[in-house]
Amino acid sequence: EVQLVESGGGLVQPGGSLRLSCAASGFTFANYDMNWVRQAPGKGLESVSYISASSRTIYYADSVKGRFTISRDNAKNSLYLQMNSLRDEDTAVYFCARQYYDLAFNVWGQGTMVTVSS
Amino acid sequence: DIQMTQSPPTLSASVGDRVTITCRASQSISSWLAWYQQKPGKAPKLLIYMASSLESGVPSRFSGSGSGTEFTLTISSLQPDDFATYYCQQYNSFSTFGQGTKLEIK
Repeated sequence: EVQLVESGGGLVQPGGSLRLSCAASGFTFANYDMNWVRQAPGKGLESVSYISASSRTIYYADSVKGRFTISRDNAKNSLYLQMNSLRDEDTAVYFCARQYYDLAFNVWGQGTMVTVSS
Repeated sequence: DIQMTQSPPTLSASVGDRVTITCRASQSISSWLAWYQQKPGKAPKLLIYMASSLESGVPSRFSGSGSGTEFTLTISSLQPDDFATYYCQQYNSFSTFGQGTKLEIK
């Protein structure tokens, strides 16, 4: 079964750091581009970051540029999001999503909640 | 950055109705447009990719059209399971989502 499972969410104080992980199974992870998408409580979807299959191409939303770092380990079938200097407005459910050429984001994880609060 | 404007924000309809949601891109994205359905507490589900291609397993009552900057998602005959929030997404340049359309029961 094709599956993505996020972990690492939790409660953190403003200015703190958190590292999210996304474990992939059921497909050849190294062949796929990957994304992080977040959704603040009661709000819409926001693309946070993208990484190509080879890690050669990376994009960030302006809202997280300079604070978040995306990475992957194809040998471990895992995607990561290092989040530093966290702000209240980073509070959201964070989803990882698989992307393949023109197929858009056709596989999603269940999400992990990040709460930034003092 | 490419902005996506989706309308209407809320849509009230009845089972059996035909409904249309529109999405406009701030610049041409060719056909790099996807539609997703999301239910409360769940991850989004891909319905349509490349503006008009139906994702495997998605009922044929869902269809998409458009290219360039104007796109539509049509549900031909609403079923009870279709009441949810729908998002468009451009993936021509990184990714941007529309604000969402909440489809409610009339």
